[in-house]
Amino acid sequence: QKEVEQNSGPLSVPEGAIASLNCTYSDRGSQSFFWYRQYSGKSPELIMSIYSNGDKEDGRFTAQLNKASQYVSLLIRDSQPSDSATYLCAGWAGGTSYGKLTFGQGTILTVHP
Amino acid sequence: GAVVSQHPSRVICKSGTSVKIECRSLDFQATTMFWYRQFPKKSLMLMATSNEGSKATYEQGVEKDKFLINHASLTLSTLTVTSAHPEDSSFYICRPEQGGNGYTFGSGTRLTVV
Repeated sequence: QKEVEQNSGPLSVPEGAIASLNCTYSDRGSQSFFWYRQYSGKSPELIMSIYSNGDKEDGRFTAQLNKASQYVSLLIRDSQPSDSATYLCAGWAGGTSYGKLTFGQGTILTVHP
Repeated sequence: GAVVSQHPSRVICKSGTSVKIECRSLDFQATTMFWYRQFPKKSLMLMATSNEGSKATYEQGVEKDKFLINHASLTLSTLTVTSAHPEDSSFYICRPEQGGNGYTFGSGTRLTVV
């Protein structure tokens, strides 16, 4: 059973809209979550990290964590064509797996003008 | 933020040859290094975890004799793909770990085996 799931298929939004990306996880011991953006042919780039229940905002990005429901989401406000990329959700279970991240399969986001 | 240098960025090699990929942490010391591979349109798959001065721990299904990892110093780890075959063609990415700075990936190496 995959530990981190990103079930939503390719997502297409118009420029200026809000893009909503979702992720669920199975390990209740997971402590930290990360959202990475990956452009085609490039390595992932960290855009948000979240450790506590609730919302965390950074510019146009808001990460949300709900540990009771075991989901993590990323909202991108005022989406721009430059936001078009694959977004990867990752979780860390803590303990002896220090630093070991488990990645979801990614969601492809396309922002069209 | 953490600066991670990985090279080469691209390499083409003949089937049966070996390729070495280097990953350096330029502004911090990385006690642990994670190596990933990524096939087109797929997510990152953790291959192995190495700790400075000790043997790497490989994930299930990853051949340790084929993917040799050396983490001889706190700033350098290498991944050598031995006797490469076309099915080894992939995007290989390193990620050093160092406390709260452990989330920056290397720039990746696109390996093509012909």
